[in-house]
Amino acid sequence: EAGVTQSPTHLIKTRGQQVTLRCSPISGHTSVYWYQQALGLGLQFLLWYDEGEERNRGNFPPRFSGRQFPNYSSELNVNALELEDSALYLCASSLEPGDGYTFGSGTRLTVV
Amino acid sequence: QKEVEQNSGPLSVPEGAIASLNCTYSDRGSQSFFWYRQYSGKSPELIMFIYSNGDKEDGRFTAQLNKASQYVSLLIRDSQPSDSATYLCAVRSGGSYIPTFGRGTSLIVHP
Repeated sequence: EAGVTQSPTHLIKTRGQQVTLRCSPISGHTSVYWYQQALGLGLQFLLWYDEGEERNRGNFPPRFSGRQFPNYSSELNVNALELEDSALYLCASSLEPGDGYTFGSGTRLTVV
Repeated sequence: QKEVEQNSGPLSVPEGAIASLNCTYSDRGSQSFFWYRQYSGKSPELIMFIYSNGDKEDGRFTAQLNKASQYVSLLIRDSQPSDSATYLCAVRSGGSYIPTFGRGTSLIVHP
């Protein structure tokens, strides 16, 4: 069974640019979660999608957005990139909301 | 503000010893408790979850939950150098599907 897949693995962007990260959950998992892990900070919750709808949002500005497609894959979009957005972005999925997560390998975003 | 606290460490133990990792939480309504292991440069991996007071064992790992004292622990028996990683505690309240993560404890198992 394939795990949670994320792309790309690494990304370097310039401040002010926009970026799109992609995630495919484990087959059968309908919930997809996005987290940011910046150096020295813990896992910060960004967004939760389930059955195509945004169910919850963390304490991040509106320039962080996303969507979930009918096949349950998901995109995270970050507009107007700032240097502080440099981090590991992790996608996770779960069979049921509230279950433990299976994480993808992450996308390392560097903003210069 | 729901808080989950972990000692950042590093916790250093010799090979073969028992490693004890602790996590305290502030929300008395917490219902689900998770331990994740994260190797350096890798993503977190779920290793244990516990919902009820008491102990839950899985191989060399034991999770201990004490809701009255609001702490959850992870014991690793017969620690191996391959157990060296950061261990993240995550706590989910009954009114939310999203857990709060602690910042993790770094464990070093030396030969």
